[in-house]
Amino acid sequence: SQQGEEDPQALSIQEGENATMNCSYKTSINNLQWYRQNSGRGLVHLILIRSNEREKHSGRLRVTLDTSKKSSSLLITASRAADTASYFCATDNTGFQKLVFGTGTRLLVSP
Amino acid sequence: SAVISQKPSRDICQRGTSLTIQCQVDSQVTMMFWYRQQPGQSLTLIATANQGSEATYESGFVIDKFPISRPNLTFSTLTVSNMSPEDSSIYLCSVEGRRGGRNEQFFGPGTRLTVL
Repeated sequence: SQQGEEDPQALSIQEGENATMNCSYKTSINNLQWYRQNSGRGLVHLILIRSNEREKHSGRLRVTLDTSKKSSSLLITASRAADTASYFCATDNTGFQKLVFGTGTRLLVSP
Repeated sequence: SAVISQKPSRDICQRGTSLTIQCQVDSQVTMMFWYRQQPGQSLTLIATANQGSEATYESGFVIDKFPISRPNLTFSTLTVSNMSPEDSSIYLCSVEGRRGGRNEQFFGPGTRLTVL
């Protein structure tokens, strides 16, 4: 399977703590994207990092990419209960947005 | 950005029947994508739908089981044929759009299908 792996599968933290999720993939990529999904609903695009970038920030989100290790991490700082969701990485190795999704991390942020 | 709607939002169907899912986008797009998300799993790309040509299916998915139509640049349908309980999934369509000067993929809200 081409699918990427994410760890941890589930993460439970308290509000205000940081959450780190890791993603590993198998092939060379054009870009890597992170998505959030609330309760089995539609996906929300969070951030895209290109293969020639190493780090990206967006608000409380920080994404790193290590193409030599074929891995990425998503850091959510100062987490909130509203951050409770499943988070997926997805790689695009064609440049045409045909995404290969990771297995996902279920994040639970308790008040 | 692109706003995507899907119909139905959910359905419960009997095995052996077929269901057609509609995806409507508020702007013209070249490519539309159909994904399947099995219970508790990640998303898997079923096919890419281009207007004016046959859909391109990913490994493990065939046209007889998942026929797709793409009659214009804002609309597509995915049919799940001869359903079995293993087809119970969320089906999502997506398109590529622009936001903040960058390309990104926008997803519809999904159709939750349960096959009895």
